[in-house]
Order: sequence, then structure tokens, then C-alpha cells
Amino acid sequence: DAKTTQPNSMESNEEEPVHLPCNHSTISGTDYIHWYRQLPSQGPEYVIHGLTSNVNNRMASLAIAEDRKSSTLILHRATLRDAAVYYCILSAGYSTLTFGKGTMLLVSP
Amino acid sequence: GAGVSQSPRYKVAKRGQDVALRCDPISGHVSLFWYQQALGQGPEFLTYFQNEAQLDKSGLPSDRFFAERPEGSVSTLKIQRTQQEDSAVYLCASSLARLAPYNEQFFGPGTRLTVL
Repeated sequence: DAKTTQPNSMESNEEEPVHLPCNHSTISGTDYIHWYRQLPSQGPEYVIHGLTSNVNNRMASLAIAEDRKSSTLILHRATLRDAAVYYCILSAGYSTLTFGKGTMLLVSP
Repeated sequence: GAGVSQSPRYKVAKRGQDVALRCDPISGHVSLFWYQQALGQGPEFLTYFQNEAQLDKSGLPSDRFFAERPEGSVSTLKIQRTQQEDSAVYLCASSLARLAPYNEQFFGPGTRLTVL
């Protein structure tokens, strides 16, 4: 399975944008890029996914590099409720999700 | 709306006991997944059902772990002769369609199992 690399943790201030990076240099042409997040004491929650083009939804934006070897999850205005572990995951074919350790996002008021 | 529910939310078992963990997926969801999450780690895949068929059980750590979904809706994960290393949060997820790389999975809150 293609692997992803994320920073262990990041910090942000409330109301500021947050850019969460993910490297996936061994990504294949059929791999989708997924982001999930896990708030404390809850199950993971879907955030966004994409294949080649940048994607926007009500929660976040996903910026995918032209060579697809990296991507960035963008939270436009962080709130305290966005403090969570964010997972960047590659999925292809009929494979299930393989979570890594993710990035713990700390948001300060 | 109703999401994925799991019961019990917390379970304490003595080493050697059998436990059964229940998952109620979102109604109509075809795919169902079980994951195990150890403290400080990301979830790890255990098994996958498409309706009542268990199509992938490659993640089950030993033959003490058994999962079923007999009518294609509710699923039960059973752990026999529990060991301390089984202590973890067990997460259930469901997805509307059959497994595909772009399908969103909806997770339940998990069952925290502590084996003493």
C-alpha cells in the first residue's frame, strides 16, 4: 500500500487558516486521497477526498499537487472544535482505509 | 439523523472472558467495517462485510476474533478468551455502497474494551 507522511502535531490560533500537509510520494494513478479527522473520544469523521483536482466542501478544501505526490488540507478559519487528529489516507481499488498516526491539531483561543 | 451506533460504549472484562460487541450501521448501508484502535494509534482494519458476506477478514489478529452480520444489517464482533493485549477501542463503520476507493465511511463512537 502506498504510504503517507504527516507531521505529528501542528498548532493554530482560532479564526486563522490552517494548512495540514501530507506527503505521498509513492502514490499510484488510481489512488484517491482521503482526509478523516477524529475528535477526542469519538470515531473518525470524513472530511474530504479527491483524485487529481482541488476540492472544496463545507468543511475544508483539499489542494493536490500537480504531480500528486503531496496534498494539503486547508481549514479556512480554525475553531476550537477543529482540534482533532487529522488522517491523510490513500485508497485504491477495493482496498479498505489504512490509517497512520495522523497530525494532532491544537487550536488556541 | 441516526448514525452508526455501537454498544456497549464501555466494556470491562476479566482475562479469559468472552465478549460481544454490537454495531448498528446506518440503515441501508451495504458495507460494514470493523477497526481496532490502540491508545495513541490510528485505527487498524479488522474485517469487512458487503451485506451479509464477510469479504475480507485479513486484519483479524487471531482466531479468537470472530465477526458476523447474518442479515446484512447489525453486526457483532466477538472476542473469545480475551487477553490484555485486546484492550483497545473497537470502531465500526458503514458505507452506503459496496467497497470503492471513493466511498465515505461513517464511523460509530466505538466500544472501549478494557481487559484486566
